Amino acid sequence: QKEVEQNSGPLSVPEGAIASLNCTYSDRGSQSFFWYRQYSGKSPELIMSIYSNGDKEDGRFTAQLNKASQYVSLLIRDSQPSDSATYLCAVNLKTSYDKVIFGPGTSLSVIP
Amino acid sequence: KAGVTQTPRYLIKTRGQQVTLSCSPISGHRSVSWYQQTPGQGLQFLFEYFSETQRNKGNFPGRFSGRQFSNSRSEMNVSTLELGDSALYLCASSLRSGSGEQFFGPGTRLTVL
Repeated sequence: QKEVEQNSGPLSVPEGAIASLNCTYSDRGSQSFFWYRQYSGKSPELIMSIYSNGDKEDGRFTAQLNKASQYVSLLIRDSQPSDSATYLCAVNLKTSYDKVIFGPGTSLSVIP
Repeated sequence: KAGVTQTPRYLIKTRGQQVTLSCSPISGHRSVSWYQQTPGQGLQFLFEYFSETQRNKGNFPGRFSGRQFSNSRSEMNVSTLELGDSALYLCASSLRSGSGEQFFGPGTRLTVL
């Protein structure tokens, strides 16, 4: 089992819809989780971090964490064409001295 | 604040050569992590340096090495280049070691011929 897994996509949603991106991780002791966005030809940029079970909202973005299920998700409400990018899930692995491991990313396309 | 800078932005080398890439973190950031990004493997962790010490290492051969200077600037070196080393090399800086809140530089695109 890979340390961090994501659906590779591509995920296509119409403009204005909710995009749901999912991530699972193998290290049960992990405490810190992050979502990065990477536009084509650009570097990743941090958009959300979450450390506690439940939801964390920031504008149109909501991160959801369920440590018991080892699952973290990112919801994008009112999706816009400018949200079209690859979304990377990252996890601090407690079993590896807080090494930050990225998932393979999910490509999101928002159709006007 | 200036962002993370990486030099050079593009490099073309031939098999067997060696290469050195440089990364200057955001002022005040003492942690620098290096990643290799390829279409097939995604973003792969190479190593992390904090206060001139390597704190973590990924699963890469010993041909990949790095160091960090007292001003937090970091370099990575790849010796005996192979075709498979062609990739985008990204560095990211953060305030503390092991932080997932990282700021990435623009990357160095390495092509090995």
